Amino acid sequence: GENVEQHPSTLSVQEGDSAVIKCTYSDSASNYFPWYKQELGKRPQLIIDIRSNVGEKKDQRIAVTLNKTAKHFSLHITETQPEDSAVYFCAAIEGGSYQLTFGKGTKLSVIP
Amino acid sequence: DGGITQSPKYLFRKEGQNVTLSCEQNLNHDAMYWYRQDPGQGLRLIYYSQIVNDFQKGDIAEGYSVSREKKESFPLTVTSAQKNPTAFYLCASSVGLSGGYTFGSGTRLTVV
Repeated sequence: GENVEQHPSTLSVQEGDSAVIKCTYSDSASNYFPWYKQELGKRPQLIIDIRSNVGEKKDQRIAVTLNKTAKHFSLHITETQPEDSAVYFCAAIEGGSYQLTFGKGTKLSVIP
Repeated sequence: DGGITQSPKYLFRKEGQNVTLSCEQNLNHDAMYWYRQDPGQGLRLIYYSQIVNDFQKGDIAEGYSVSREKKESFPLTVTSAQKNPTAFYLCASSVGLSGGYTFGSGTRLTVV
């Protein structure tokens, strides 16, 4: 089955700086990679996703990059703001599967 | 809650009691999932269902049971066999193969 490793587990940045969270996956058949943001006590919400036929995707201050050869993908947040503080989860899904495999999460703190 | 509703939001269970957590979706999604989240931890899969009247165990199914009699509903029962049930429980649904999840707002279960 799929295994997803996520680093770092905690990340503190100054407001306005960039934040990068990295994930690796084990199954070369995986073809969909979403990122979720979870604020304290709330449900995870999809913030951006990428499919294996794309190398990079951007949405305003958020971007995701995918390197299929190395089997890793990353979340980039630019110009961080205090409201970006949350736990971020990466995930991967194998083609033909229903089941997402999640990383263990990264707690991002943006210091004003 | 974006088409997927969990109830109740808070639930208290006495020792030796079975309790049932409700999850209803109106997104016409085929697949539904139950996850458990402990403080500061990631998401662990309890059970999932790809179609009506069918479900599979996840990584931590012991002490839990589910049913899928209707496409819209996927209730989770936490039985007395689950020795440490205090956690945040998240229900999710997805459109199907290689799709992202939509999460419910969660149920926080506490043993008293």
